[in-house]
Amino acid sequence: DIVMSQSPDSLAVSLGERATINCKSSQSVLNSSNNKNSLAWFQQKPGQPPKLLVYWASTRESGVPDRFSGSGSGTDFTLTISSLQAEDVAAYYCYQFYSIPNTFGQGTKLEIK
Amino acid sequence: EVHLVESGGGLAQPGGSLRLSCAASTFTFSSYWMSWVRQAPGKGLEWVANIKEDGSEKYYVDSVKGRFTISRDNAKNSLYLQMNSLRAEDTAVYYCARSVAGLDYWGQGTLVTVSS
Repeated sequence: DIVMSQSPDSLAVSLGERATINCKSSQSVLNSSNNKNSLAWFQQKPGQPPKLLVYWASTRESGVPDRFSGSGSGTDFTLTISSLQAEDVAAYYCYQFYSIPNTFGQGTKLEIK
Repeated sequence: EVHLVESGGGLAQPGGSLRLSCAASTFTFSSYWMSWVRQAPGKGLEWVANIKEDGSEKYYVDSVKGRFTISRDNAKNSLYLQMNSLRAEDTAVYYCARSVAGLDYWGQGTLVTVSS
């Protein structure tokens, strides 16, 4: 199984500042058939289902604000929020859909400093 | 807007069974892989199972193999999860999700509690 490890587990950032969440996979999730990384990022607010933010590691889902961006390849990935807004307080999860079983990172809790 | 509604959750005794359903609407259900994902109270997300568009391929996380069965009825636009031999550690909110480059749409979830 591919193990997804996120860092940090929690993060406090001031409004308007940059937030960076890292995700490392135990093996590459680069899909050779399409040369894309099978990696997605989700945001989950309390009492709500997760919401897809980014897929193929760097493609922003329709309707997601452009302050959210994903980067990385192979085994190392990053979700960046360029200017933190109050509504971004949530838990964030990375997820690999390269191999079965699909697996999630343990989550990163983002708060306002 | 894609619409997914789970049902069938509730209280079950250890060793018991439950069948979850997920009703899909506003998209061509038969054209998509579908997944179940669960979240234990206060914990992270765990992928449980997925199923191909025509039901010919099914995959499971090891912890539910032999106990849970994913299925679908494309004529009814519905996804199912038959859960047998339930354990306390199966207690979670269960979400169905459409599987497109990740999981692009999710239902609101249904709570399964396994307790005596």
